[in-house]
Amino acid sequence: NAGVMQNPRHLVRRRGQEARLRCSPMKGHSHVYWYRQLPEEGLKFMVYLQKENIIDESGMPKERFSAEFPKEGPSILRIQQVVRGDSAAYFCASSPPVVRSGYTFGSGTRLTVV
Amino acid sequence: KNEVEQSPQNLTAQEGEFITINCSYSVGISALHWLQQHPGGGIVSLFMLSSGKKKHGRLIATINIQEKHSSLHITASHPRDSAVYICAGGVAGNQFYFGTGTSLTVIP
Repeated sequence: NAGVMQNPRHLVRRRGQEARLRCSPMKGHSHVYWYRQLPEEGLKFMVYLQKENIIDESGMPKERFSAEFPKEGPSILRIQQVVRGDSAAYFCASSPPVVRSGYTFGSGTRLTVV
Repeated sequence: KNEVEQSPQNLTAQEGEFITINCSYSVGISALHWLQQHPGGGIVSLFMLSSGKKKHGRLIATINIQEKHSSLHITASHPRDSAVYICAGGVAGNQFYFGTGTSLTVIP
């Protein structure tokens, strides 16, 4: 059981490029959550997804950010036209439908926009 | 004011000391999580509590539902315990409110 897998671990993008962050949930977990951790700040919720369905995207910025969790393959957090302020650590977590002891975080993707 | 508040923000201890990190929350939660994050590293879930007390090795977590307060204790602290410890309150809809973390440094 490989746990929650995020890739890449580090991603460097120039301003205006697109960033794609991937998250493969733990085996048996059907729910995925994305969080952002800005430098010197705490974790902030972005979006909560099930397969082919966005449950809650109240934490997503209104523009340039999107997320999906297709029937096959990992969940993708996509940031279009990145700006310096997007530089952060992006963490994914997964859980079974009811969160008990099964809430597990990935190692994160550190995005640097230059 | 954050829904979840932690104290202290920073903590330095000598190796072997008993450490306590506190977490207070102002929202109704279904469970409280304690997370550990090493510098530049991922996040590890240490405990999930809805009542009482849990122990894992040198780590102990307690929660008082009436007082909306939880504590994380580390006995016989070690330099490898140096990390940021984050308290998170789980609410309906599988959402979480996170504290800003307590940065712990254990000096040999």
